[in-house]
Amino acid sequence: AQSVTQLGSHVSVSEGALVLLRCNYSSSVPPYLFWYVQYPNQGLQLLLKYTTGATLVKGINGFEAEFKKSETSFHLTKPSAHMSDAAEYFCAVSDQAGNQFYFGTGTSLTVIP
Amino acid sequence: DTAVSQTPKYLVTQMGNDKSIKCEQNLGHDTMYWYKQDSKKFLKIMFSYNNKELIINETVPNRFSPKSPDKAHLNLHINSLELGDSAVYFCASSQSWTGDNEQFFGPGTRLTVL
Repeated sequence: AQSVTQLGSHVSVSEGALVLLRCNYSSSVPPYLFWYVQYPNQGLQLLLKYTTGATLVKGINGFEAEFKKSETSFHLTKPSAHMSDAAEYFCAVSDQAGNQFYFGTGTSLTVIP
Repeated sequence: DTAVSQTPKYLVTQMGNDKSIKCEQNLGHDTMYWYKQDSKKFLKIMFSYNNKELIINETVPNRFSPKSPDKAHLNLHINSLELGDSAVYFCASSQSWTGDNEQFFGPGTRLTVL
């Protein structure tokens, strides 16, 4: 069975500050990991994903995440927050067959001007 | 140009009614999904279809019945609506069934049961 935990349901950062959103997973097999973003009153869109290969993954809008197997983590970072980054962020985990797909509970990011 | 579309965007109805939500994707994808997002933003998969075949059927009341007339459409019919069904329902699609595929989400349907 797989699961994903996002620490911190609400994160506030100042504009220009580092963004760090935490995600830990549990999986008995190597998982596929995703970060999705949901802007107000919209559907989700993919920021980035890890499947295999390089553990540092770069996504859209300047976000990146690093897969750390030893820590079972896939934290999302961005060096400098913009006001437009304010949104809900979801970490997700999938098994390779696609039979199990779970979202975390989400982290609401607020950017303070 | 909309990749994944849902209708209606808003649905307000009385308890006990039956309603349907339609979803269409023009991406040529094989796999489609229905998710429920509750008031706390928790997102849970309900169903998944691959090439019109049901693949995932999570623990969902049998009042919810998905129907896939073709690969591009996955509709959700809900019988005897209850207060607890109030949520935002998202349709999504992916190119294929394997777990590494990006899912493309529709804009959501906000269902309110009075």
